[in-house]
Amino acid sequence: GAGVSQTPSNKVTEKGKYVELRCDPISGHTALYWYRQSLGQGPEFLIYFQGTGAADDSGLPNDRFFAVRPEGSVSTLKIQRTERGDSAVYLCASSLRGTRDLLETQYFGPGTRLLVL
Amino acid sequence: KQEVTQIPAALSVPEGENLVLNCSFTDSAIYNLQWFRQDPGKGLTSLLLIQSSQREQTSGRLNASLDKSSGRSTLYIAASQPGDSATYLCAVAGGTSYGKLTFGQGTILTVHP
Repeated sequence: GAGVSQTPSNKVTEKGKYVELRCDPISGHTALYWYRQSLGQGPEFLIYFQGTGAADDSGLPNDRFFAVRPEGSVSTLKIQRTERGDSAVYLCASSLRGTRDLLETQYFGPGTRLLVL
Repeated sequence: KQEVTQIPAALSVPEGENLVLNCSFTDSAIYNLQWFRQDPGKGLTSLLLIQSSQREQTSGRLNASLDKSSGRSTLYIAASQPGDSATYLCAVAGGTSYGKLTFGQGTILTVHP
């Protein structure tokens, strides 16, 4: 079946603008995760959804960042008043149960490359 | 706060060589440790997942070990091939949020013919 998909693949915006990044998880996966990856670094956790609710949003850097998953499937990461430091690759992942399953892995999408000018 | 470190940052080897990538983590209270591969411009692909109770996992030419008490893991790649060239990332799951992976910064591997 289809893997995790993310749109757009690239986004260029100006400082101060609002952007939305979309993630379509693998069908049937209840858990969804957002990470941010800066150049030369490993991914950094942002937020994790179990179904429709955010189970852990401790990685969101500030209140300009917000994510939703209203129907427990597609998720949107929203960034208000973008800053140049927000430029990064935003990765989305999904997993089947999102419970404390020690064998469960996260399946990653290709990412959205955000550039804030 | 969990911190994950990978050594070396970059590695270049001739084809056919066996090699070891290293990963260390500061908090031993983990649920599992995973090794991922990332190709340029692509997402991450999971290679191996080791539960906290396990010592190693093998898949083909890859073998990953875990020493939880010392906070270390190694990824061994046998008979390296040019197609193995990629960035290898180590990630641990643990703490109060089992959904949260903490990643190292990665090792960039180049295998030249």
